[in-house]
Amino acid sequence: GAVVSQHPSWVICKSGTSVKIECRSLDFQATTMFWYRQFPKQSLMLMATSNEGSKATYEQGVEKDKFLINHASLTLSTLTVTSAHPEDSSFYICSADSGALSEQFFGPGTRLTVL
Amino acid sequence: GENVEQHPSTLSVQEGDSAVIKCTYSDSASNYFPWYKQELGKGPQLIIDIRSNVGEKKDQRIAVTLNKTAKHFSLHITETQPEDSAVYFCAATGNQFYFGTGTSLTVIP
Repeated sequence: GAVVSQHPSWVICKSGTSVKIECRSLDFQATTMFWYRQFPKQSLMLMATSNEGSKATYEQGVEKDKFLINHASLTLSTLTVTSAHPEDSSFYICSADSGALSEQFFGPGTRLTVL
Repeated sequence: GENVEQHPSTLSVQEGDSAVIKCTYSDSASNYFPWYKQELGKGPQLIIDIRSNVGEKKDQRIAVTLNKTAKHFSLHITETQPEDSAVYFCAATGNQFYFGTGTSLTVIP
């Protein structure tokens, strides 16, 4: 149980294009999902907290107009990197709160490369 | 906010030996302490967790200890195997997850 999937697992795009990443909780409903960014050999950096049916809460320094988050259902949250640039290249990981006493379950991550 | 420190950043052990990774936290309100294993190119995987009302928890070769007074918790892996090689992250959480900086564990066959 408690499986979280992400799609795509790897994406390469040209500078200036937008990329959408999906995060799904497969066997449970997640009222809260989280989006993280991870640079090589570094820890996870929380970007935003996504609550179903409401606007996401962004961490300081994260541009909400650049990283659009939609949490339209209890099993799906999407992150759209708009007008991507090479510096947006990173490993993006989502997690879902199972609701059971703070436990978070992570997706497998999405490797974004912007050329 | 919470501040989680993790040591060491890298750790190499011989197969069969034990590995210990330590984390400290600053916010006494934190009450949930998970440990994650992350293999290259993959998302973190929860391997064990402990809550503030428990001092120790064990699951086969993996154990976690928590000292609330000193605000530190540790991951213990016994009889290490090459497949244990990965990056391990601790986290402390109350309302939000705060991750440690990670420990790259290498188990030498």
